[in-house]
Amino acid sequence: EAGVAQSPRYKIIEKRQSVAFWCNPISGHATLYWYQQILGQGPKLLIQFQNNGVVDDSQLPKDRFSAERLKGVDSTLKIQPAKLEDSAVYLCASSPITDTQYFGPGTRLTVL
Amino acid sequence: KQEVTQIPAALSVPEGENLVLNCSFTDSAIYNLQWFRQDPGKGLTSLLLIQSSQREQTSGRLNASLDKSSGRSTLYIAASQPGDSATYLCAVKDDYKLSFGAGTTVTVRA
Repeated sequence: EAGVAQSPRYKIIEKRQSVAFWCNPISGHATLYWYQQILGQGPKLLIQFQNNGVVDDSQLPKDRFSAERLKGVDSTLKIQPAKLEDSAVYLCASSPITDTQYFGPGTRLTVL
Repeated sequence: KQEVTQIPAALSVPEGENLVLNCSFTDSAIYNLQWFRQDPGKGLTSLLLIQSSQREQTSGRLNASLDKSSGRSTLYIAASQPGDSATYLCAVKDDYKLSFGAGTTVTVRA
């Protein structure tokens, strides 16, 4: 079974620039999550999708972050404009009906 | 708001020693607790999931206990090996969201 795919793996941008991350979940998984993991901290949930719909985006900085899930499959997370404090690893995870979440390798973002 | 704490932040042990990793959480109204492993530059891998009605789960050399009333969980790794070197995170699920601790970084010395 193929795992959760993310791209790019690494991205370096300057502050105020825009960036987008892509996630392809495990086939058949209805739930998709985006997490932000700042160095030395645990992952923090940014947004959770159930099929096409948003279940929770309470911790998503909506003035600069946006996310969508296309046809209930792939998802993109965008930051516009980026700030220095957005430097982190962005993790995508998916899950079936059970509680176990399967994580992708993450995208490491550095904002200069 | 759920707060999850893991102490210590890091530990180093010689090969063969048993590992004991601690996790505490502030709100005992949880659905389950999970332990994850994270290797550098990689995502998280689920190790064990304990439902709120369970007291422990075991998988090979790993054993995790849960005391929901006191807000604590412990992950035991028996006979540690250099390949066990990684960061171990615990996460609790309440409602539908996982709240993670910052993790314990383990180094097993050969």
